[in-house]
Amino acid sequence: KNQVEQSPQSLIILEGKNCTLQCNYTVSPFSNLRWYKQDTGRGPVSLTIMTFSENTKSNGRYTATLDADTKQSSLHITASQLSDSASYICVVSLRGSTLGRLYFGRGTQLTVWP
Amino acid sequence: NAGVTQTPKFQVLKTGQSMTLQCAQDMNHEYMSWYRQDPGMGLRLIHYSVGAGITDQGEVPNGYNVSRSTTEDFPLRLLSAAPSQTSVYFCASSYGLAADTQYFGPGTRLTVL
Repeated sequence: KNQVEQSPQSLIILEGKNCTLQCNYTVSPFSNLRWYKQDTGRGPVSLTIMTFSENTKSNGRYTATLDADTKQSSLHITASQLSDSASYICVVSLRGSTLGRLYFGRGTQLTVWP
Repeated sequence: NAGVTQTPKFQVLKTGQSMTLQCAQDMNHEYMSWYRQDPGMGLRLIHYSVGAGITDQGEVPNGYNVSRSTTEDFPLRLLSAAPSQTSVYFCASSYGLAADTQYFGPGTRLTVL
């Protein structure tokens, strides 16, 4: 069964600290993996998209890694800021798929305290 | 360039009422979709469209109807609202299929009493 599991479910860190969010998937055959940031009361916003051949991709203080062999991805946030408080969603798509084959994780709720 | 817009932002309905959630994009994207987001669950696809005049069902299509008469607009119709349809609804668009970034609207929070 194609699934996307994210951990932890929630995370609290202090401002300025780093953190890493995890995404494990069983989606196969794999096309790409995306990380989205969703602020409270808003729609998700894309952070990164990685294909099978990409191991890492950065977007400012956000760095995503992908290990297609173990079907794992991580999102590393460096020097966290209060504005990083949000839900982070991992999405995996099937190769050759339509929009009907995007698999969404339930998200990790990150809270950054001052 | 407004991106993806949704109206209304909030809506309260009584069981059995019908309504249409509006979605529009000004990026000339071919692909549009509707999702619902419930607490503790991932986004679930309701319906999607790969171009004007072409729609298809997603994971949870029952109780919802869509049409795509123009590239810009993709309304979602609730035929007879039920409390189980209480949710936050997001519209999204993208230029292409799986390889492309989806742009999400701000969402519509719907409560069915």
